Amino acid sequence: AQSVTQLGSHVSVSEGALVLLRCNYSSSVPPYLFWYVQYPNQGLQLLLKYTSAATLVKGINGFEAEFKKSETSFHLTKPSAHMSDAAEYFCAVSYSGYSTLTFGKGTMLLVSP
Amino acid sequence: DAGITQSPRYKITETGRQVTLMCHQTWSHSYMFWYRQDLGHGLRLIYYSAAADITDKGEVPDGYVVSRSKTENFPLTLESATRSQTSVYFCASRPRTGAYEQYFGPGTRLTVT
Repeated sequence: AQSVTQLGSHVSVSEGALVLLRCNYSSSVPPYLFWYVQYPNQGLQLLLKYTSAATLVKGINGFEAEFKKSETSFHLTKPSAHMSDAAEYFCAVSYSGYSTLTFGKGTMLLVSP
Repeated sequence: DAGITQSPRYKITETGRQVTLMCHQTWSHSYMFWYRQDLGHGLRLIYYSAAADITDKGEVPDGYVVSRSKTENFPLTLESATRSQTSVYFCASRPRTGAYEQYFGPGTRLTVT
């Protein structure tokens, strides 16, 4: 069964610091991987996706993620955090032929001044 | 371009009552999904639909009923609401082909008293 693990339910950074949110997936076949962001009282918004093209994927709002097959990881990074990045972030996985996404439990990013 | 909408956005109902949450999308996406989001559980799939008149159970279908007579609508009915169904409900959709990313509605916050 496909699964996603997000390490850390909460991550705190200072404004201007590096953001690193971790995501590991379990798979024996090539995955499709996604990062979503959820602001308070809103739905999930797609940040970026990996679909077996370039392993370094750039998304919106300055975020990027790198697919590392050997580590089964798809960590999300941003060089410099902004107050507006404070939100909950979800990693998700799917596979060719699957109808659904499997989501991680989410990581709340807290940004302090 | 309305995208995907949900109604109502907020609902309070009593235990035992029937409640229907509406979801409408304007993209003519084949797939539609219903999730519930609860603290500590992340997003859990309730039901999904691959096309009109085709529905399938997700991870937590008990107590819910869905139908899909038209491609653009995917209502979710709680036949006899229970307090454990207090949650935030999200509808999502995606096209049949592509990289499987889903597009989310703004959510319905349901409280069962």
